[in-house]
Amino acid sequence: QLQESGPGLVKPSETLSLTCTVSADSTRTSSYYWAWVRQPPGKGLEWIGSIYYTGNTYYNPSLSSRVTISIDTFENHFSLYLTSVTAADTAVYYCARLVGTTSRRSFDPWGQGILVTVSS
Amino acid sequence: QSVLTQPPSVSGAPGQRVTISCTGSSSNIGAGYDVQWYVQLPGTAPKPLMHGNTNRPSGVPDRFSGSKSGTSASLAISGLQAEDEADYYCQSYDATLSGYVFGTGTRLTVL
Repeated sequence: QLQESGPGLVKPSETLSLTCTVSADSTRTSSYYWAWVRQPPGKGLEWIGSIYYTGNTYYNPSLSSRVTISIDTFENHFSLYLTSVTAADTAVYYCARLVGTTSRRSFDPWGQGILVTVSS
Repeated sequence: QSVLTQPPSVSGAPGQRVTISCTGSSSNIGAGYDVQWYVQLPGTAPKPLMHGNTNRPSGVPDRFSGSKSGTSASLAISGLQAEDEADYYCQSYDATLSGYVFGTGTRLTVL
C-alpha cells in the first residue's frame, strides 16, 4: 500500500528527498496521519515526523530544524525533505500510515523501506 | 534517542515462554499512552504485532500477548517457534517530546 522512492545516494551537505506513494487508500482522509521513520544500519527505529491531510506537520525535535514533510492529496503521496545531511543520516527510511486515536496510534502498514546512503 | 528501554536480547527454547519488557516514564507509558509492538525480520520492514497494549491485529497468533502496568509494558510469547526469531520493538507517544518514541529493540533468539 505504501512505496518509498527517491535517490539511494546523497552527498554530504545536500538535501535528502523521498516520496511515499499511497495506493489502495487515500491521503485525503481525516482518519489517518502519515509518517516517516528511519533505521540506521544495525540500529533501532526513529520517528522523523508525521503529517495530516490538512498539511499540519509534527516533527521529531531532534530533527525539526532540518526536516520538512509535505503532502499532495491529489497525487496521493507525501514527501520527506532532510537538509544538510551527514553520514549519520545514512539509514533505511520507511513511510507508514498512522492509525488509531490520540493516545494509541500505531504505524500500520509500513512501506518496504529505502536505503539512503550519505557519501561523497 | 530512545526513551523506551528494552533488553538487548532474550532467548528461549522451542515451546518455551519468553517475555520482553519495555520501560518508559511518566511522560509516555506512565502518562496513559498506549504501547504498540512490532516484529522485524532481517531485511524487512517492521510489522505490527500488538496495538493498544493488548490487542492483536488480525493474523497474529494468540501465542503473543501484551500487558501494561505503570510506566512499563511487556510482550509475552508462548510456545516459542523458530520463526519467532526476530527483532521486537515497542512504541508509544511521549508528551514531553510531543512525538512518537520507539524502544531500543530486543533480539529474540530461539535456541
